[in-house]
Amino acid sequence: QQQVKQSPQSLIVQKGGISIINCAYENTAFDYFPWYQQFPGKGPALLIAIRPDVSEKKEGRFTISFNKSAKQFSLHIMDSQPGDSATYFCAASMDSSASKIIFGSGTRLSIRP
Amino acid sequence: EPEVTQTPSHQVTQMGQEVILRCVPISNHLYFYWYRQILGQKVEFLVSFYNNEISEKSEIFDDQFSVERPDGSNFTLKIRSTKLEDSAMYFCASSASYVSEQFFGPGTRLTVL
Repeated sequence: QQQVKQSPQSLIVQKGGISIINCAYENTAFDYFPWYQQFPGKGPALLIAIRPDVSEKKEGRFTISFNKSAKQFSLHIMDSQPGDSATYFCAASMDSSASKIIFGSGTRLSIRP
Repeated sequence: EPEVTQTPSHQVTQMGQEVILRCVPISNHLYFYWYRQILGQKVEFLVSFYNNEISEKSEIFDDQFSVERPDGSNFTLKIRSTKLEDSAMYFCASSASYVSEQFFGPGTRLTVL
């Protein structure tokens, strides 16, 4: 119930291509869905986040698509660049729980030049 | 730009020893968190802390763990008697409120031998 399932585990995309990472959740009490980007040796950093009252949020080359009925959400990275190579975590939390963040298992993204 | 700092960056200890991991949250933040990431696995919530009290803790955060804010700037995680399975990267995070973005520190890599 508290899990967030993420796929794929790893992803290789050519420069300029679209990177797509998918996540699914069970607990309908989740009301905040952030994506984190983590570079080696660094802590996770918030990339973009969405709440379930909207179906899409776009910030630059990064877009979250959210399907409330299917309990799924995904991250799309347009025009992927080598600097986007990192591990990406989807996550979920409930405002009622002091913002404990439940992380997905992570996707290691490599962008080939 | 303000950031969360953590010390040490790497701690090696013998099984059964006590360790204290230190964090300096962003100065005007009121909510503090510890997470851990076992190598190659997802980031897991340990504990949240507000107003000098634990707000929530996970099942991982057993009696061997404790947190403290000993002064106005530091936030510490103590593991009383370390086990091999405590080896992980430990991340501290802080936020201005329980619905605000959590900012993560760079982590402390704990190795238990």
